[in-house]
Parts: sequence; C-alpha cells; structure tokens
Amino acid sequence: DSGVTQTPKHLITATGQRVTLRCSPRSGDLSVYWYQQSLDQGLQFLIQYYNGEERAKGNILERFSAQQFPDLHSELNLSSLELGDSALYFCASSARLAGGLDTQYFGPGTRLTVL
Amino acid sequence: DAKTTQPTSMDCAEGRAANLPCNHSTISGNEYVYWYRQIHSQGPQYIIHGLKNNETNEMASLIITEDRKSSTLILPHATLRDTAVYYCIVRVQAGTALIFGKGTTLSVSS
Repeated sequence: DSGVTQTPKHLITATGQRVTLRCSPRSGDLSVYWYQQSLDQGLQFLIQYYNGEERAKGNILERFSAQQFPDLHSELNLSSLELGDSALYFCASSARLAGGLDTQYFGPGTRLTVL
Repeated sequence: DAKTTQPTSMDCAEGRAANLPCNHSTISGNEYVYWYRQIHSQGPQYIIHGLKNNETNEMASLIITEDRKSSTLILPHATLRDTAVYYCIVRVQAGTALIFGKGTTLSVSS
C-alpha cells in the first residue's frame, strides 16, 4: 500500500459526459501528479500540482482540468468525454520539489470506460 | 520522448536472478536513474534509484556503469510475483514528472 488513495476504482460513463476523479496524497506530501495510461499511448504525464498551485503541464487536453485543495487532495475533471479517453488514470504524490530527490508514490488508479 | 532503451521482454526462472538492462547513453551528469515496475495495471511501484554508485535495497540492486551510459537492475531471487513491466527512467531533479517509456516485460516462471 503506497498510502495514496484514488476514488472511484472504476467509472463507466457515456460520450459527452463529465466525470471527476479524486486523489488523496500520502500524509505530508505536497506534490500531486496525474498520469494517464491508455493501451496505445502508455503512461503519460498530465499535470502536476504543488501545495495548491499548478506546477507543470504535460499532455493534458483542454477538456481536462485539475485542482488541488487546501487539504491537499486533488481532483481531475474530464469533460466532453470521448471514446479515446477510456484509460487508467493514476495519481502520484511526493514530498518535495527541491533540496534532494523525491520519490513518487502511485495510487491504485481509476479505470475509466467511456461507452 | 523517453531517454532510455530497454529490451521489450525477458524471461526468468523462479529463484534465479533477473538482470534487466537499460541503456541511457545521453544521460547528463546531474540525471539520476530510477526504476519503477507495474504489476498488471496496478499503480507503478518505486524500486530503486541511483546517480553513479551502485545501490541496493530490500527489493533490488542497481548497477550503473562507470561511464553512466547504462545500468542493470538486479532482482536477486525472482519470484512469480515479480512478473511485471519494469521501467527505467532518467530524471534530472526532484519535483519533475516521470517520463515513462515502454519498459521491459519480465515474465518469471516456475
């Protein structure tokens, strides 16, 4: 158990809909990363938050957005869903940004199926 | 793009050592080598990391060549539960995202 929790485990929805994925980082970790894993693209970085602020963006679509709340949990919002958005979505947390190496610990993921 | 090259797949007999190679010929002096693994769609699991010295922890050993252009992850006594995709990642600093390549699928059989 990495200490990172994600809900829900599975999500089935229809095209055009909007969903919210939730991530709770390990206790004390300030940084949260979101990754998407699809069959054809592999594991890809989407976005990073640190202590409530957006830190870095990867291959995140404009239809997707995220935020990190004062209690440090994070939510990934996916809207106008398409079939191709079906994937595993992982979040990871780490303790720090600088001053040494940080290890990212991953949650169990949310499997999104868009029908 | 990932900065590493790994074999697509490897096989290992249970109880034997699994040696997983990784080529990172363009690694910079301040880049670390990280290894993660992913067991059947679970979240990736951190294994080990190193800069230039060999490293060992309870899970594995990491051997980095002197020129740092390649490394080998060693699982000393592989078990069936070590069957997974293993990712070798080079990373310059804390606080940056992990860039995953395709990794090596390790199959451990009895």
